[in-house]
Amino acid sequence: NAGVTQTPKFQVLKTGQSMTLQCAQDMNHEYMSWYRQDPGMGLRLIHYSVGAGITDQGEVPNGYNVSRSTTEDFPLRLLSAAPSQTSVYFCASSYSIPGLGETQYFGPGTRLLVL
Amino acid sequence: QQQVKQSPQSLIVQKGGISIINCAYENTAFDYFPWYQQFPGKGPALLIAIRPDVSEKKEGRFTISFNKSAKQFSLHIMDSQPGDSATYFCAASIGAGYKLSFGAGTTVTVRA
Repeated sequence: NAGVTQTPKFQVLKTGQSMTLQCAQDMNHEYMSWYRQDPGMGLRLIHYSVGAGITDQGEVPNGYNVSRSTTEDFPLRLLSAAPSQTSVYFCASSYSIPGLGETQYFGPGTRLLVL
Repeated sequence: QQQVKQSPQSLIVQKGGISIINCAYENTAFDYFPWYQQFPGKGPALLIAIRPDVSEKKEGRFTISFNKSAKQFSLHIMDSQPGDSATYFCAASIGAGYKLSFGAGTTVTVRA
């Protein structure tokens, strides 16, 4: 199993540009989430999904869109990038089965710089 | 406003010593409290977790202590090793752990 994969690893954007951060998992996990990590603030939940076709907002959803058309993929879209979105983005997934759903498996992260 | 407050921000410990990281929360609905370990350039990885029905959980050199009345929990790293040098995050959630609220993180440096 490849686990949770994220692409790209690093991206530089100009203010106003759009892009999609890709996330895929091959563990047949129903739950998937996006977090951003900023110095001194830990990780903050952006959006999450409990299954294909179902998404919901987390703590800091503004400026980001998500969709979940398949169990495997959960892309994060920045429609108009802003410098405040400079961060490291992590995708995570987990089982929906009680007792197993607690373990979040994190991807390696995407480092985004918005100029 | 962070729902989970973590301290200290960083700590340095000698090899063989004990590292202690503390977290506090306000939301009494939280019922799952994991600790994640993160190495530079990597994603966080689950280290150990506890639910409020127990006051302590131990896995190897890592122990979680939980005080429900004080709404506090802590991570103890016994016999700290240089390989334990990493950033540690406490977190909390309601039910399953896919909606985690994280603390700000503690960078632990273990000196040989």
